[in-house]
Order: sequence, then structure tokens, then C-alpha cells
Amino acid sequence: GAVVSQHPSWVICKSGTSVKIECRSLDFQATTMFWYRQFPKQSLMLMATSNEGSKATYEQGVEKDKFLINHASLTLSTLTVTSAHPEDSSFYICSAREWGWGGNQPQHFGDGTRLSIL
Amino acid sequence: GESVGLHLPTLSVQEGDNSIINCAYSNSASDYFIWYKQESGKGPQFIIDIRSNMDKRQGQRVTVLLNKTVKHLSLQIAATQPGDSAVYFCAETPNTGNQFYFGTGTSLTVIP
Repeated sequence: GAVVSQHPSWVICKSGTSVKIECRSLDFQATTMFWYRQFPKQSLMLMATSNEGSKATYEQGVEKDKFLINHASLTLSTLTVTSAHPEDSSFYICSAREWGWGGNQPQHFGDGTRLSIL
Repeated sequence: GESVGLHLPTLSVQEGDNSIINCAYSNSASDYFIWYKQESGKGPQFIIDIRSNMDKRQGQRVTVLLNKTVKHLSLQIAATQPGDSAVYFCAETPNTGNQFYFGTGTSLTVIP
């Protein structure tokens, strides 16, 4: 159980293109999803917390107009990298927490999206 | 943000030996901790968690120890196998929020 699916797994596109990444919880409902960015041989950096039915909460230093997040349902959050440039190339990973449980629960991660901007 | 760090960035162990991976955290309000394993090109995979009201928790071949006095967390892997080779992250969350913050990561290499 607790499977998170991320799509696409790899994107290569030209500079200036906008790219949408989907994150789905397949067998549970998630009121909260998280988006991370990871550079090679580095840790995961939390970008934003995506809340179903409300605006995302962005971490300090993350441009909300650059990284648009939509969490329209309890099983889907999307991250759109707008007008992507080579410096946006990275590994983007989403995670989700199960809904309805009291107390802390682990986050379940997707397998990430490798974004390469030429 | 939070400060969660690991003492050793790399660790090499012989197959069959036990591995110990350490993690320090700085937020005394943290009350939930998780160890994740990340293989190359994949997302982190849950290994084991522990809450702040515990100091030890055991899983299959893994044990997590929590020392709140010195804000230290460790992951012990018994009889390490080649399939255990990966990067291991600790993550912590304070009791006031949803977010998890990840440590630097330790790359574990198991030598056959």
C-alpha cells in the first residue's frame, strides 16, 4: 500500500518551455503533498507544501510564480515549472501523507522526475 | 529551515557486517523521525520511524536509536547485504508542522 506515482519520470525540453509534473497517491487519499528538489549527490530540499483545496505554502527562497503548484483533489498534485531555464534542471520528487490518521505519519515518495533543460 | 546533519558522508562495510549510520538534529521540538533509503534515480523509500517518546525501535534487520539529550539519531543495519548499498537520509519533523527536513545523506557501499 501507500504508493505514490510521479509522471513523467524524465523530461528534456528547450529553454523557455513550461513543464508540468504530476504526483498521484494511488491507494490512499492525501490532503497534503510535498515537492522536493534534489541536486546530484545532495539531499532533498523541500520546495513547497501542497494542500488540497488551498494555496501551496512555499519555503523561503522558492519562487511561487516560477513553480506553480495545484492540488485539486485528494489524490493529485501538480508542479509546473514555468519558462524553464537550464538552472532549473534537477531531480524533482513529490511525496504524500495519508489522510485521516492522527499524529505523525511517514511521507511516501514518488520515484522522481528528472528535468533537463537545454 | 531546520538543521539536520549526518556525521559521515560515506560508509563502506563488508558484506555480513553491521552498519551504523548517524544523524544529528538541532531542533529540540522535533518529535518524529524517519530513516529513508534512496537508490540511484529513485525516490526515497521508508525504512523505519521513531517518535520522541521512544528511544529505540526495531524492524527487520534495522534498529533506530534516538538520544534526545544530545539530539542524535542512528540507524543500525544488521548483516549488511549488497542490496543495502544506497544513500540513507534521516528526516525530522517538529510537532508544530507537517514538513519533513532531510539531513545531508550517507552513502553506504557494501563490499561483497
